[in-house]
Amino acid sequence: DSGVTQTPKHLITATGQRVTLRCSPRSGDLSVYWYQQSLDQGLQFLIQYYNGEERAKGNILERFSAQQFPDLHSELNLSSLELGDSALYFCASSVDPGTSSRNSPLHFGNGTRLTVT
Amino acid sequence: TQLLEQSPQFLSIQEGENLTVYCNSSSVFSSLQWYRQEPGEGPVLLVTVVTGGEVKKLKRLTFQFGDARKDSSLHITAAQPGDTGLYLCAGHSWKNTGNQFYFGTGTSLTVIP
Repeated sequence: DSGVTQTPKHLITATGQRVTLRCSPRSGDLSVYWYQQSLDQGLQFLIQYYNGEERAKGNILERFSAQQFPDLHSELNLSSLELGDSALYFCASSVDPGTSSRNSPLHFGNGTRLTVT
Repeated sequence: TQLLEQSPQFLSIQEGENLTVYCNSSSVFSSLQWYRQEPGEGPVLLVTVVTGGEVKKLKRLTFQFGDARKDSSLHITAAQPGDTGLYLCAGHSWKNTGNQFYFGTGTSLTVIP
C-alpha cells in the first residue's frame, strides 16, 4: 500500500461531459503529481502541485484543470471530454522538501480508469 | 516531449532466461529511478541510482547508472513469472519549479513459465 488514495477507481462517461478525479496524498507528502497513461503514449506528466500551489505544468490540455486544497488532497477536473481522453489517470505524491532531493521518490495511487464513450 | 527512450518496448521470454532493459536520454539527470507496474496498480519504486557509474543490486535485478548520468540499464538474471510487468525508468531533475520526474516509454515484460 503506497498510502496514496485515488477515487473513483473506474469512471465511464459520455463525450462532452465533465468529471472530477480525486487524490489523497501519502501522509506528510507536500507534492502531488498527476499523470496520464494510455497504451500508445506511456506515462505523461500533466501537472504538479506543492503545498497548495501549482509548481509545474506538463502536457495538460486547456480543458483540464487541477487544484490542491489546504488539506493537501488534489482534484483533477476534465471537461468537454473526448474519446481520446480515455486513459488511466495516476496521482503520485512525494515528500519534496523544497530543495533538490535525489532520494525523494514518487508514491503512486492505483489510478482512475476513465472511459469516454 | 519524451526525454527518455526505453528498449525494448516489449519482451517475452522463458522462465530462467536473462534479459536487459535499456533507458537512454540526451539529458543529464540528478538521479534515475526504476519502477515496476503491475496490471490495475500504480508504479512501485524498485531503486534509485544517484552517482554516475553506480551499480545497485536487488536480488536478481541489477541496475546501473551511466557514467554521464544520461542512461541506465536493468538486468534480470534467471527471470521468473513474478517478474512480469511494465518496467519504467524515470529521470529526476531539480529545477526552480521543484523536483521534476520524466518517465520513459516503458518496457512490458512477460515471463513464460
